[in-house]
Amino acid sequence: QMQLVQSGAEVKKPGASVKVSCKSSGYTFTGYYLHWVRQAPGQGLEWMGWINPNSGDTNYAQRFQGRVTLTRDTSINIAYMELRRLRSDDTAMYYCAKDGPWDALDIWGQGTMVTVSS
Amino acid sequence: SSELTQPPSVSVSPGQTARITCSGDALPKQNAYWYQQKPGQAPVLMIYKDNKRPSGIPERFSGSNSGTIVTLTISGVQAEDEADYYCQSADSSAVVFGGGTKLTVL
Repeated sequence: QMQLVQSGAEVKKPGASVKVSCKSSGYTFTGYYLHWVRQAPGQGLEWMGWINPNSGDTNYAQRFQGRVTLTRDTSINIAYMELRRLRSDDTAMYYCAKDGPWDALDIWGQGTMVTVSS
Repeated sequence: SSELTQPPSVSVSPGQTARITCSGDALPKQNAYWYQQKPGQAPVLMIYKDNKRPSGIPERFSGSNSGTIVTLTISGVQAEDEADYYCQSADSSAVVFGGGTKLTVL
């Protein structure tokens, strides 16, 4: 079945970078956009951006422009989200989610907790 | 950019009907989607393109669109429906989420 499996929890210091991976299986990786969404503790969902795994084209939410980079490796069906210059308010659960045939986020990864603390 | 506004909380007794609204100026021009999120779990798609249910989603979940307001209706609410619900739409290739509504089953 279609599945997204993310890398494990991370603890980073302010100013550092983090790179989270999202491995897809059960569908054609290059056939559907992949989105990244984060959720701070006790807060709502916040969209960060998407990548077209086929072309590598990306689109980022304005508030993350210049600080986030989405990439992919089509040889191993993995997408990556790198966030730089981490701050304490970047502490959140980070999800990857597949854009399905209805333009909905139909499959989600299990989430990766990123904690930023000195 | 567009914003989507949801009530922070809705409470309903088991067996009753819960209605969760989501308002936004872009909704007449864009499809709306609804996600359910239970504590400690990733969101799950419940409704797509305003009123369609993915396979496996119970029939008691339905969606409607009346211009700038979309509504998620849960008929015959069950205890297991207690969760956070998020609406979502699009704005110029960007994805927008509502702030979320906590559904409490009394």
